[in-house]
Amino acid sequence: AQRVTQPEKLLSVFKGAPVELKCNYSYSGSPELFWYVQYSRQRLQLLLRHISRESIKGFTADLNKGETSFHLKKPFAQEEDSAMYYCAPSNRLAFGKGNQVVVIP
Amino acid sequence: KAGVTQTPRYLIKTRGQQVTLSCSPISGHRSVSWYQQTPGQGLQFLFEYFSETQRNKGNFPGRFSGRQFSNSRSEMNVSTLELGDSALYLCASSGTVVSGANVLTFGAGSRLTVL
Repeated sequence: AQRVTQPEKLLSVFKGAPVELKCNYSYSGSPELFWYVQYSRQRLQLLLRHISRESIKGFTADLNKGETSFHLKKPFAQEEDSAMYYCAPSNRLAFGKGNQVVVIP
Repeated sequence: KAGVTQTPRYLIKTRGQQVTLSCSPISGHRSVSWYQQTPGQGLQFLFEYFSETQRNKGNFPGRFSGRQFSNSRSEMNVSTLELGDSALYLCASSGTVVSGANVLTFGAGSRLTVL
């Protein structure tokens, strides 16, 4: 079964500091992983997917098969990054429990 | 094109009642998934429908049920409501391989409060 784990529920960082959200997966076969974001009073939406290998809003996520991880990173956090972030596998059955990110001005 | 539409947006029920929530997916999307979102548990998968067939089901009691119609619209029903059913219920649709079959587009949700 495809499973993901997000170990930290709440992450507070200062503006301009790096932010890293951890996501570990357990998978059989080739994983396809996503990060979704939910800003305050907005819909849950796709942030990025690993196969696109692109940077969205300054965020990147690299699939590390050796560590079975798909951590989300941004070198300099901005206040508008405050949101709820979810890691999810392609089978959409098992979202992680989410990370609440608070960027302190 | 129009996004995923969920109705009603807010509703209040009492214990023991039942509720039906509706979801209209993006035009052309045939897969609809339902989730329960709570602060403590995050997003929990309820079920997924594709072409009127339930493709997957999460670990929820039988009080939770759903269906999908030929136009891909979906409904979920919760019978004999309990206080713990208070949550935001999210619907998401996904499309073809070309548009990203595994990418979910979410609705705004239906906020259910059980008193």
